[in-house]
Amino acid sequence: DARVTQTPRHKVTEMGQEVTMRCQPILGHNTVFWYRQTMMQGLELLAYFRNRAPLDDSGMPKDRFSAEMPDATLATLKIQPSEPRDSAVYFCASGSRTGDSTYEQYFGPGTRLTVT
Amino acid sequence: RKEVEQDPGPFNVPEGATVAFNCTYSNSASQSFFWYRQDCRKEPKLLMSVYSSGNEDGRFTAQLNRASQYISLLIRDSKLSDSATYLCVVSLGGNKLTFGGGTRVLVKP
Repeated sequence: DARVTQTPRHKVTEMGQEVTMRCQPILGHNTVFWYRQTMMQGLELLAYFRNRAPLDDSGMPKDRFSAEMPDATLATLKIQPSEPRDSAVYFCASGSRTGDSTYEQYFGPGTRLTVT
Repeated sequence: RKEVEQDPGPFNVPEGATVAFNCTYSNSASQSFFWYRQDCRKEPKLLMSVYSSGNEDGRFTAQLNRASQYISLLIRDSKLSDSATYLCVVSLGGNKLTFGGGTRVLVKP
């Protein structure tokens, strides 16, 4: 049963510290997404990659956030320096087209980040 | 105006009853539509795609109304396990999805 995996599942850190979140997409999926979910804003797209190339990072605060995909099995999201307002659940998702050409996206379990 | 809007609920539903709720989208060029389900403190999971002709998957029926720019989800014979947040999702094509804020459904005995 192929799944998207994310580490760490929980992270508590102090303001100003660097946070790195990792994601392993489903093997064979060529698109990877980073989302952030909060009670106030819901699910927001931060960035996404196709074939490891960044396609859209317009949802991401550029001054402190960075997303990379060093290889097909690893995507990373970094926050430096972290701030309390970054506290949220960060989801990674990967996607592929089905046999009838519809597109399906599968989410990882998320990283619950708390910045104090 | 948000691109995808949903009534946040909660919709309190007696077990065995039918519940239906809608989602509106603002971009008439939207091409693909989905319902995702999210359980408390879990990740969103694809429930079903929504096709122009409407489609059914067991107790779940999804409809698309392009003229009025809304999609709907109907759940028949509600089960306690149907309690979740249902996310309306819209795509302009390609791989980028836009999520609504979710409609919370609570099925009670």
